Amino acid sequence: DAGVTQSPTHLIKTRGQQVTLRCSPKSGHDTVSWYQQALGQGPQFIFQYYEEEERQRGNFPDRFSGHQFPNYSSELNVNALLLGDSALYLCASSLGLASPDTQYFGPGTRLTVL
Amino acid sequence: GDSVTQMEGPVTLSEEAFLTINCTYTATGYPSLFWYVQYPGEGLQLLLKATKADDKGSNKGFEATYRKETTSFHLEKGSVQVSDSAVYFCALSKNNQGGKLIFGQGTELSVKP
Repeated sequence: DAGVTQSPTHLIKTRGQQVTLRCSPKSGHDTVSWYQQALGQGPQFIFQYYEEEERQRGNFPDRFSGHQFPNYSSELNVNALLLGDSALYLCASSLGLASPDTQYFGPGTRLTVL
Repeated sequence: GDSVTQMEGPVTLSEEAFLTINCTYTATGYPSLFWYVQYPGEGLQLLLKATKADDKGSNKGFEATYRKETTSFHLEKGSVQVSDSAVYFCALSKNNQGGKLIFGQGTELSVKP
């Protein structure tokens, strides 16, 4: 049973560029949440997708956008990259909009913005 | 707004020592409380949880009790092992927020043989 997978593992971009990160949820899960974890900090909630719609959003600018596909996989897009966007981006999947103890986290994508 | 505060790390202990990692929270209503662990190169894993006051969560020898009067959820383990070396995150979630987790800043634990 595959867990949550994310790609790529690492990514290096320059300021002003755009990036797309990908997430495949755990088998049987239909809800995907994205978090940003800056170095030495706890993860911060970006947004959550369920039934291909954004259901909740954290305090992130519109440069951060996402998408969920019919197979429940998800993408996180970040436009006009800033140095401060350098972080580990975590994807978590769950079944429905249930309590968070059902959330399973992927290993993350390490984004470095130069 | 809602927030979680953890004791700063790193915490360095010898094997078989007693562990306490402090966690306090600020939130309206009655949040659920969690401890997650992040081993090097891996994703976050749920370690334990408590959903109401005075509940005690436990797993793999770790325990934490939901104390509403002190708004705390301290993590404890009686005898740590080298394999417990990791970063530990305290987090909260509110039932009306569909799974959104609010994390503390994390506490790095290093256990020496």
